[in-house]
Amino acid sequence: GAGVSQSPSNKVTEKGKDVELRCDPISGHTALYWYRQSLGQGLEFLIYFQGNSAPDKSGLPSDRFSAERTGGSVSTLTIQRTQQEDSAVYLCASSRNRGQETQYFGPGTRLLVL
Amino acid sequence: GENVEQHPSTLSVQEGDSAVIKCTYSDSASNYFPWYKQELGKRPQLIIDIRSNVGEKKDQRIAVTLNKTAKHFSLHITETQPEDSAVYFCAASKGDSWGKLQFGAGTQVVVTP
Repeated sequence: GAGVSQSPSNKVTEKGKDVELRCDPISGHTALYWYRQSLGQGLEFLIYFQGNSAPDKSGLPSDRFSAERTGGSVSTLTIQRTQQEDSAVYLCASSRNRGQETQYFGPGTRLLVL
Repeated sequence: GENVEQHPSTLSVQEGDSAVIKCTYSDSASNYFPWYKQELGKRPQLIIDIRSNVGEKKDQRIAVTLNKTAKHFSLHITETQPEDSAVYFCAASKGDSWGKLQFGAGTQVVVTP
């Protein structure tokens, strides 16, 4: 079946502009995660959603970052007033259930802030 | 919060030799430890995971060991092949924040023929 998809695959923006990144999880997966991967670095947890529960936002680096998940499926990560240090690959993942199990990653969105 | 350290940052091995990557974690409540492989330009993929109720798990040429007392876990790849070349990430999470995987910084493994 279809895997996790993300759009756009690449985004170039100017400092100070807002950007929206989209994630479509695997159909039927109830948990959805966002990570950030800077060049040559590990994955930095940002936020995760599980069903209708309140999301765990503890990894969001500042109040310029927000995310929502509509209808328990598609998620959007929004970065307001982008800064150059926001440049990174933003990865989305989903898993079937609530619990410690395999997270399936999307291809990522490469964000470049000029 | 949880802190995961991973060593080495790069590892070069001859084809057929073994590779070992070690990770330590800080939070004794962590109970789930997955390993992800990321090939160049591709998305991370789970290769093996271990839970705190077992000390070792094996899947063909890959094995993971866990020492809860010392708070470290290791990935072992035997009979390495060129297609094992990738970046490997360890991670840890605990039950009350199960979705919050804390990743190590990654190990670049290069297998030379």
